Amino acid sequence: TQLLEQSPQFLSIQEGENLTVYCNSSSVFSSLQWYRQEPGEGPVLLVTVVTGGEVKKLKRLTFQFGDARKDSSLHITAAQPGDTGLYLCAGGIFAGGTSYGKLTFGQGTILTVHP
Amino acid sequence: EAGVTQSPTHLIKTRGQQVTLRCSPISGHTSVYWYQQALGLGLQFLLWYDEGEERNRGNFPPRFSGRQFPNYSSELNVNALALEDSALYLCASSLGTASINEQFFGPGTRLTVL
Repeated sequence: TQLLEQSPQFLSIQEGENLTVYCNSSSVFSSLQWYRQEPGEGPVLLVTVVTGGEVKKLKRLTFQFGDARKDSSLHITAAQPGDTGLYLCAGGIFAGGTSYGKLTFGQGTILTVHP
Repeated sequence: EAGVTQSPTHLIKTRGQQVTLRCSPISGHTSVYWYQQALGLGLQFLLWYDEGEERNRGNFPPRFSGRQFPNYSSELNVNALALEDSALYLCASSLGTASINEQFFGPGTRLTVL
């Protein structure tokens, strides 16, 4: 059974601070997605990383996939109140030219950015 | 381009009843996934349909079932509702089996079982 452990579970910071969220597993994933979810809504896809060591940037957000494709991190620079939400990492398996379908999700990180 | 749509948005049922939730994928997507997001439990994979076939199933009892129609829309059926079935049910779609499986989610259906 593949598991993704996300940390920290809760983050409460002031506007302008930097933060990093971690997503770790003992299993190798073919892809790692990061989502952001607002209360009562569906998760919104932020980024997909597929290559070990890959780094992707989305404005103030930087995503990294570990070299061994077992872990990932999300770094936010100069956080703003609009960044508040639930951040979820999710891993997928793709082998032999076929997706295995399901995504394995971490438990999520609830981020609150205070003005 | 329209995103994934789900209906209804909210539903209240009593124990023992049956419920049907509906999902329309993004145009061009052939795979549909169902997840359950119960309070404190994270997103749990329920079912995966592609090209009308059930491809994978999560660790849920048989009273959770579904189907995918020729237009790739999907239904999730839950029989004999239990209190612990109260959750946000999320549908996602992707391009299908021969892709890296980026899944795009709908807004969800909030099911409350009393």
